[in-house]
Amino acid sequence: LAKTTQPISMDSYEGQEVNITCSHNNIATNDYITWYQQFPSQGPRFIIQGYKTKVTNEVASLFIPADRKSSTLSLPRVSLSDTAVYYCLVGDGTGGFKTIFGAGTRLFVKA
Amino acid sequence: DTEVTQTPKHLVMGMTNKKSLKCEQHMGHRAMYWYKQKAKKPPELMFVYSYEKLSINESVPSRFSPECPNSSLLNLHLHALQPEDSALYLCASSQPASGRSTEAFFGQGTRLTVV
Repeated sequence: LAKTTQPISMDSYEGQEVNITCSHNNIATNDYITWYQQFPSQGPRFIIQGYKTKVTNEVASLFIPADRKSSTLSLPRVSLSDTAVYYCLVGDGTGGFKTIFGAGTRLFVKA
Repeated sequence: DTEVTQTPKHLVMGMTNKKSLKCEQHMGHRAMYWYKQKAKKPPELMFVYSYEKLSINESVPSRFSPECPNSSLLNLHLHALQPEDSALYLCASSQPASGRSTEAFFGQGTRLTVV
């Protein structure tokens, strides 16, 4: 399974754009990249998923370079409520889907 | 309905007790999972069921016993737990082996305290 590496924590201010980069050097050809958000004492929540190039939805964008060895989650104009832990995962959903979480990035948004 | 419902939300049990955690989803997902999460740590995968069959057991001690009675329900039976087993237990579901989607839906978790 591809292992992911993310910064342990990041600080930002309200209204700023936040970019969290995840390294996955041994990503497999069939692997997709998925990001989750987790608030304290709640289950993780799916944010976005991509395979290559750029994916955008109503809450975030995901940038994946051509070599796919890293990916960047972009959160536009963060608010205090975006303070959470963000997890990057890679996998292809096969084999019964072994979802392994890395350490995650703790984002602190300040007023 | 895009919810995964876990009961109870909180559970306190003694080391000699037997209890069960329950998880239910009605999204038609055929893969269901149990995770354990300690404070300030990422969720750790415990078990995966695919089409009601246990497909992954991450070397979990036998005092944790999973059960999948049907495609919508997942149980985790607990017996002779230790205080270090206190944690947030998360259930999740997804479409299995699609080769594309790794989007899993998580429940709110059961906060378990072993005394």
